[in-house]
Amino acid sequence: NAGVTQTPKFRILKIGQSMTLQCTQDMNHNYMYWYRQDPGMGLKLIYYSVGAGITDKGEVPNGYNVSRSTTEDFPLRLELAAPSQTSVYFCASRGLAGIGVMETQYFGPGTRLLVL
Amino acid sequence: GNSVTQMEGPVTLSEEAFLTINCTYTATGYPSLFWYVQYPGEGLQLLLKATKADDKGSNKGFEATYRKETTSFHLEKGSVQVSDSAVYFCALVYGGTSYGKLTFGQGTILTVHP
Repeated sequence: NAGVTQTPKFRILKIGQSMTLQCTQDMNHNYMYWYRQDPGMGLKLIYYSVGAGITDKGEVPNGYNVSRSTTEDFPLRLELAAPSQTSVYFCASRGLAGIGVMETQYFGPGTRLLVL
Repeated sequence: GNSVTQMEGPVTLSEEAFLTINCTYTATGYPSLFWYVQYPGEGLQLLLKATKADDKGSNKGFEATYRKETTSFHLEKGSVQVSDSAVYFCALVYGGTSYGKLTFGQGTILTVHP
């Protein structure tokens, strides 16, 4: 199993450009998440999904969009890149928890984005 | 809302020293608590977890006990190694309708010297 994979690993964008960060998991997990990590800060949740076709906003959704057309894929879209979106982006997934069970989130290796 | 506070870093230790990284939380109800570790250039990996009060999570020589009375989940290791150099994150998830969303502390950088 590859687990959670993310592409690209690193990207430089100019202000106003758009791009999509790709995330794929091969564990058949229902839940998927996008976080951003800024220097000296913990991870902040951008968007999450509880299954194909269902997404919802997290703590810092402004400037981003997501879609979930399949169980495996959860792309994150930046429409008009801004310097404030310079960060490291992590995708994560988690299976369904049973009663009294707290499932673990599995993280991808991250995408480092620089907006200039 | 829920929040997690970790001790200020960075932390620098010599090999075989004792490690403590403090973590306290604010949450309604009874959250589950986690420690994640991030090695240089990699994503986060689960180090250990505890799901109810007085539970002790342990892995790779690291331990943390869920203390409801002090709302704490401090990470400890008796003898650190150079390979333990990483960033450590304390996190919580609240059950119910939270859909497993994690709330993270700011992270603590640990550097271990030979």
